[in-house]
Amino acid sequence: SQQGEEDPQALSIQEGENATMNCSYKTSINNLQWYRQNSGRGLVHLILIRSNEREKHSGRLRVTLDTSKKSSSLLITASRAADTASYFCATDARGSARQLTFGSGTQLTVLP
Amino acid sequence: EAGVAQSPRYKIIEKRQSVAFWCNPISGHATLYWYQQILGQGPKLLIQFQNNGVVDDSQLPKDRFSAERLKGVDSTLKIQPAKLEDSAVYLCASSALRDSSYEQYFGPGTRLTVT
Repeated sequence: SQQGEEDPQALSIQEGENATMNCSYKTSINNLQWYRQNSGRGLVHLILIRSNEREKHSGRLRVTLDTSKKSSSLLITASRAADTASYFCATDARGSARQLTFGSGTQLTVLP
Repeated sequence: EAGVAQSPRYKIIEKRQSVAFWCNPISGHATLYWYQQILGQGPKLLIQFQNNGVVDDSQLPKDRFSAERLKGVDSTLKIQPAKLEDSAVYLCASSALRDSSYEQYFGPGTRLTVT
C-alpha cells in the first residue's frame, strides 16, 4: 500500500512561477525523500530531509517537514520547462531496513 | 560512475507466458530493490536484497513472481505465468550500505505489456 499521498495530483504552471507539492504520510519516519521521474524514465533522487530537520534547501528546491502533522512540501522556485515531470515523495519508515514507500505522485507541467 | 542497467527496456507478451527481467546495479552497492510501477501510481516494492540474501519479499506474489541475486551483484526477476494485471514498469534500484547514504539509484525500467 502507498504510505504517502501527494497533493495536488496534477499541477500546471507557467515558466518562472513557483510550484508547490505536498505530501502526507502515516507512520513515524527516519527520513523523507523526494524523487523526480521524467516520462518513460527511472526515478532520480532530488533531496532528503531527516526526521529531526524542519527545512532543507538544494538549488531551486526547498523542502519542509512537519513530523507533528506527518506532512512535507516541495517548493520549486523559478520553474523551467525542463522541470516538467512527476514528483514523488518517499518515506523511510522507522524499522523499515532502508525501504522506501512511495506516494502516488504529482504530475507537474511547466508551460514555456 | 555507471548507473543501474536494466534490460530489456520493453516487453510484450501474452497472458500465461513467462518473462524475465535483468538488472545490474551500481558497482559496490550491496542493496538491490525491485519495484512494480503501475501507470499513474508510485513504485511499489516487490523485493529487497542485501548482497545475495533476501531482506523483504512480503509484497512479492510468490505464486507467479520469483527473483534471485546469486552472486550478490546482478539480479533477475521472473514472472510465470503472466496475468493482464502484471502490465507495469518494473524498476530496479540499488543503494550503498553506508550509514550516511539513504538514496536509491534507479534504472530506466522495463515496460511490460501483457495482452
